[in-house]
Amino acid sequence: KQEVTQIPAALSVPEGENLVLNCSFTDSAIYNLQWFRQDPGKGLTSLLLIQSSQREQTSGRLNASLDKSSGRSTLYIAASQPGDSATYLCAVTRYSGGYQKVTFGTGTKLQVIP
Amino acid sequence: AGVTQTPRYLIKTRGQQVTLRCSSQSGHNTVSWYQQALGQGPQFIFQYYREEENGRGNFPPRFSGLQFPNYSSELNVNALELDDSALYLCASSLEGSSYEQYFGPGTRLTVT
Repeated sequence: KQEVTQIPAALSVPEGENLVLNCSFTDSAIYNLQWFRQDPGKGLTSLLLIQSSQREQTSGRLNASLDKSSGRSTLYIAASQPGDSATYLCAVTRYSGGYQKVTFGTGTKLQVIP
Repeated sequence: AGVTQTPRYLIKTRGQQVTLRCSSQSGHNTVSWYQQALGQGPQFIFQYYREEENGRGNFPPRFSGLQFPNYSSELNVNALELDDSALYLCASSLEGSSYEQYFGPGTRLTVT
């Protein structure tokens, strides 16, 4: 059974800092890994998707890496801003038995202090 | 157009039945439903591809669904329990692509 863990559960940083969010998973037979952002009471916004054959993806100030063999992914946020405050979720997708099964972590709640 | 969900908020009484609706992103043929309790990550309920359920998480049969020819979808929950109070999210994707999931804003269900 796939288990996804995110550490830390909460993080508070001053504006301008670079930071790293961690995601680990127990079963390395994944199809892809996706990072999401969720604002309070809202749906999920996709940030980055990394296919199993890729090592990293970048979008603006965000960089996500994937190490399948060790079951780890990191999301790097450069020059953090107050608008980055949200909960960040990682999700791993397995394609098995004809369907995709997605397992989410419990998230890291980020607060960027002005 | 992105993924839309209706209604956005709903209050029901224990024992009642509820239907939640989702319109997939244009061109997407796969829809998945998730339950997100407060402070938790989303939990996979089931997935539909071309109008057939092709995957289910650890949810009882009183959680059921439908996908229509236009790829819109419904989630039905019978005999509501207090623990069913949660944010219900649907996500659409395209079979055969990268399986990147696009989420709707969710329906907040409160069971009293």
